[in-house]
Amino acid sequence: GQNIDQPTEMTATEGAIVQINCTYQTSGFNGLFWYQQHAGEAPTFLSYNVLDGLEEKGRFSSFLSRSKGYSYLLLKELQMKDSASYLCAVRDYGGSQGNLIFGKGTKLSVKP
Amino acid sequence: GAVVSQHPSRVICKSGTSVKIECRSLDFQATTMFWYRQFPKQSLMLMATSNEGSKATYEQGVEKDKFLINHASLTLSTLTVTSAHPEDSSFYICSARPKTGFSGVNEQFFGPGTRLTVL
Repeated sequence: GQNIDQPTEMTATEGAIVQINCTYQTSGFNGLFWYQQHAGEAPTFLSYNVLDGLEEKGRFSSFLSRSKGYSYLLLKELQMKDSASYLCAVRDYGGSQGNLIFGKGTKLSVKP
Repeated sequence: GAVVSQHPSRVICKSGTSVKIECRSLDFQATTMFWYRQFPKQSLMLMATSNEGSKATYEQGVEKDKFLINHASLTLSTLTVTSAHPEDSSFYICSARPKTGFSGVNEQFFGPGTRLTVL
């Protein structure tokens, strides 16, 4: 079956670093996405990994290990506005072509 | 570029009525549009995939006669919730995949969502 796991909630302090983990088991794999979603809003794209390794984009980095079915999103120099849910999604051609399978999201709360 | 709009952003209706939600790609042509539903504290669940000019493909467990999807053009897809009931209350989000001209990395661009409340 298809399964994507990530922690439900995390709390971190402004200015700190936080790592949000994601593990997946899917019938196919054609890339892993991280999205940010503020309450009541649509997800916005943060990062994409299809090969093993680290992708860095400003304060955000994302890592992928395909052999372990594992990814993490790293947020540096946390700001209050980073308080949001972070969704891990796998693109799986096993089902509907180009379908994204989403995890339940990790709600990050950034404290002063 | 790559802006997707949804209308309405919020709708309240009585049980038994039908509600239409529009999803438009404003600055690109979308060969494929996806419709998701998100209940509170849950992940986005794909309901259906619609391709311009053909019938939508529904995910298992989604009633195609209740959730009517029409992908009328390369920039517009509509979702009609027929005979809505309180359990249909949810956040409905569409996304669109561009036809051409993008790197292909972030192939889906999301609309802002529609909050449906059925009384």
